[in-house]
Amino acid sequence: EAAVTQSPRSKVAVTGGKVTLSCHQTNNHDYMYWYRQDTGHGLRLIHYSYVADSTEKGDIPDGYKASRPSQENFSLILELASLSQTAVYFCASRGVYAEQFFGPGTRLTVL
Amino acid sequence: GQQVQQSPPASLVLQEGENAELQCTYSTTLNSMQWFYQRPGGRLVSLLYSPSWAEQRGGRLTSSAASNESRSSLHISSSQITDSGTYLCAYASSSFSKLVFGQGTSLSVVP
Repeated sequence: EAAVTQSPRSKVAVTGGKVTLSCHQTNNHDYMYWYRQDTGHGLRLIHYSYVADSTEKGDIPDGYKASRPSQENFSLILELASLSQTAVYFCASRGVYAEQFFGPGTRLTVL
Repeated sequence: GQQVQQSPPASLVLQEGENAELQCTYSTTLNSMQWFYQRPGGRLVSLLYSPSWAEQRGGRLTSSAASNESRSSLHISSSQITDSGTYLCAYASSSFSKLVFGQGTSLSVVP
């Protein structure tokens, strides 16, 4: 099974501050994804990437940027964190048959 | 937009040993689908993944779907207390395998 790790596992940020969430995968998967999970909304796709140095917008990209500096690493960047971005963030990578594997999640609280 | 409806819609309580059937209905024809398990605050663990036409089995779990129906089911046999948690279904509907998630069903298995 694909190994996907995330850091930090939890973070408290102040409104207006910059937050960077990191994701690392070790199985040479081409596709990587960032989702957020909120009570009542399930999981929603923020950004994804299918190759290094390229990112694509998902369903809810506003307020987020993404960076894919290498095949293994995919970051989610909140330039100006807001209260509404308090959520749990999950990174995932895609295997050969479109099956996705998820990291442990990062719990972000914006105060 | 694309939607996924899960049933039971919110929660299900079973006595240990009972069987359960969780269902997902989709707003479009099935492509591939994936079932996940999540403990509170935990990562999404992939239970079963299958193309739309294939039944998948894994221990006490069976997923089934039909390529001509917008519906899939997850069967849990002989439920155990450790099966308690949230079950989410998701389907992939595009060339980049974007997953669209249901809201999840919270399962509680009691003695």
